[in-house]
Amino acid sequence: GPKVLQIPSHQIIDMGQMVTLNCDPVSNHLYFYWYKQILGQQMEFLVNFYNGKVMEKSKLFKDQFSVERPDGSYFTLKIQPTALEDSAVYFCASSMTGLDTLYFGAGTRLSVL
Amino acid sequence: GQQVKQSSPSLTVQEGGISILNCDYENDMFDYFAWYKKYPDNSPTLLISVRSNVDKREDGRLTVFLNKSGKHFSLHITASQPEDTAVYLCAAGALGTGSKLSFGKGAKLTVSP
Repeated sequence: GPKVLQIPSHQIIDMGQMVTLNCDPVSNHLYFYWYKQILGQQMEFLVNFYNGKVMEKSKLFKDQFSVERPDGSYFTLKIQPTALEDSAVYFCASSMTGLDTLYFGAGTRLSVL
Repeated sequence: GQQVKQSSPSLTVQEGGISILNCDYENDMFDYFAWYKKYPDNSPTLLISVRSNVDKREDGRLTVFLNKSGKHFSLHITASQPEDTAVYLCAAGALGTGSKLSFGKGAKLTVSP
């Protein structure tokens, strides 16, 4: 079936550094999402993105976070600067029309030291 | 607070038996309900979903039951097989919000031969 690819699968960085998580969504999808899962907790919605704009973001989407998809390439989540509490697995997802099937990537495990 | 709750974090079923996974939700506005399956280090994958205008949906060995008055939905897997062993995530959301799904923490199903 359709695949969402996330690169890298694991990223280790020092607190205060910038990190960019990359997502290659399903090619004809129009809606894009990031979810955050802290160890032992549920996946929590961060942000969704459509037509080049953020549609909705949760309180977890701090000012240090930003998303973009320049020229239809990767959909990225940038954290600048990172904090210890940003350590989590970040899942990217895409869908065609909004609330139909969400296709998820396998996640990027971010470790902030 | 947590909008979607899976009260049982794990379940073990004998091969051939029925696996029943439960999910409770809080938001009256939710009208889309889904179950995802996840293997370790892999993507959550949609198994089955229902809209709030039905109270049951079957797909092969899978059946979703929706109890709107009780704010509860469940997944029944008949003739459970060892390859059904995985983490099952329930999710719910409101149509029109761009697929902002709320997820449960997940329940680990183990089907023993």
